[in-house]
Amino acid sequence: AQSVAQPEDQVNVAEGNPLTVKCTYSVSGNPYLFWYVQYPNRGLQFLLKYITGDNLVKGSYGFEAEFNKSQTSFHLKKPSALVSDSALYFCAVRDPTGNQFYFGTGTSLTVIP
Amino acid sequence: NAGVTQTPKFQVLKTGQSMTLQCAQDMNHNSMYWYRQDPGMGLRLIYYSASEGTTDKGEVPNGYNVSRLNKREFSLRLESAAPSQTSVYFCASSVTPGHQETQYFGPGTRLLVL
Repeated sequence: AQSVAQPEDQVNVAEGNPLTVKCTYSVSGNPYLFWYVQYPNRGLQFLLKYITGDNLVKGSYGFEAEFNKSQTSFHLKKPSALVSDSALYFCAVRDPTGNQFYFGTGTSLTVIP
Repeated sequence: NAGVTQTPKFQVLKTGQSMTLQCAQDMNHNSMYWYRQDPGMGLRLIYYSASEGTTDKGEVPNGYNVSRLNKREFSLRLESAAPSQTSVYFCASSVTPGHQETQYFGPGTRLLVL
C-alpha cells in the first residue's frame, strides 16, 4: 500500500534560519512526490513535485526538496525562513497504479520573528 | 481565471439532512476530485472523476455521492448527514488523471453536522 509519513506535527524555526520539513514515503514502483502548503482558511497550494531527474527539486517561494531513494525521503527545505512561511505543509505521493494522491498528516511550521 | 471555486464556504446541518457541495473549475481540466480534511489525518479522497462522464470511489466514499455535471462542475452530495461527516471538504482538479499531474485545490467548504 502507498503511504506518506510526516514524523513532525510541529516545527519551529527562527526567522532567517534554514528550515526542514520531513517526509518519508512507501510506494510500489516509481514515486511521484509532491509538497503542498496550506495557509489558514485556504485551500492547498502546490509548491513543488518530483517526477524524475535531478534529486533536488526547486519550487515556489524559494522552497526546494531533496529526493533520496535509498532513504525513501522527500524533505522540504528552505535556506532562510520567513515569518510568512508559517503554515501547514503536506507531503503527498501519487499512486503510480491508480488515480489517488496519498497525503501525509501535515506539519505545522511556525517561523519565529 | 478563478481556478477552482466551491460553494458554500460554510454550512451547518442537522443529522439526517441532505445537501450538495458544488465545485467548478475554469481551467479546462479533465479530472476532478473531492477530499475531506480531518485533524491529524491529512486529506482523504472521497470520489474522483478522471474525465467527464466517469466517476470512481476513493478511499472514503461511504455516505457520499457525486455527479460530474459537465467538464467544469463536480458536485458532492450527502444524502443523510451524520456527525462523522463534520469536516472540511476540498475540491481539486488536474489536467489529466496522470501520475505526474499537479492537482489544484479550491478554498474548501467547512461542514458542521449537529
